Amino acid sequence: QKEVEQDPGPLSVPEGAIVSLNCTYSNSAFQYFMWYRQYSRKGPELLMYTYSSGNKEDGRFTAQVDKSSKYISLFIRDSQPSDSATYLCAMTRTGGFKTIFGAGTRLFVKA
Amino acid sequence: DVKVTQSSRYLVKRTGEKVFLECVQDMDHENMFWYRQDPGLGLRLIYFSYDVKMKEKGDIPEGYSVSREKKERFSLILESASTNQTSMYLCASSLRTSGSNEQFFGPGTRLTVL
Repeated sequence: QKEVEQDPGPLSVPEGAIVSLNCTYSNSAFQYFMWYRQYSRKGPELLMYTYSSGNKEDGRFTAQVDKSSKYISLFIRDSQPSDSATYLCAMTRTGGFKTIFGAGTRLFVKA
Repeated sequence: DVKVTQSSRYLVKRTGEKVFLECVQDMDHENMFWYRQDPGLGLRLIYFSYDVKMKEKGDIPEGYSVSREKKERFSLILESASTNQTSMYLCASSLRTSGSNEQFFGPGTRLTVL
């Protein structure tokens, strides 16, 4: 079993839709939960991170962590064609060198 | 603007060749990483380094070696390239004091081994 599971998609939605991206994990030691966005032919860039459980909002993006269920989500409101990218969840222990990445979900937002 | 740069965007090599991939960061980060990214498998850690001349194996180090002679530079070496090393290679760096290990990535090198 992989430490982090993420549906690879692709996920195709119309412009303006609410997008929900999710990951599950197995290691209860993870404390930092991150979402990276990767555009085609580019390296990943950090979108948001959350420490421990709870929600975090940044503009149209909301990250949620449910440690009891070992489940994290990224919601994108009012999705735009420019949001079309691969979204990777990632997680790490406090002070850890190793970050474990999900396989990434490919998102297409159609105009 | 912080940057991680990689020496090549695209490389084509032949089986058995020795291949060098270079990565440079200008953020004075202590930690540097090499990953490969394959469809359906995500990012897999090959090697990382937390200081000059220090290196640690990641999850898939076989067939690779690394070198970190200067803080800003981390090199990945394929001693004898094989076709199963065809992949996207990503370099990243992070600050030692970052609890989240937030990593900054380079643009990647797409390596094809024929």
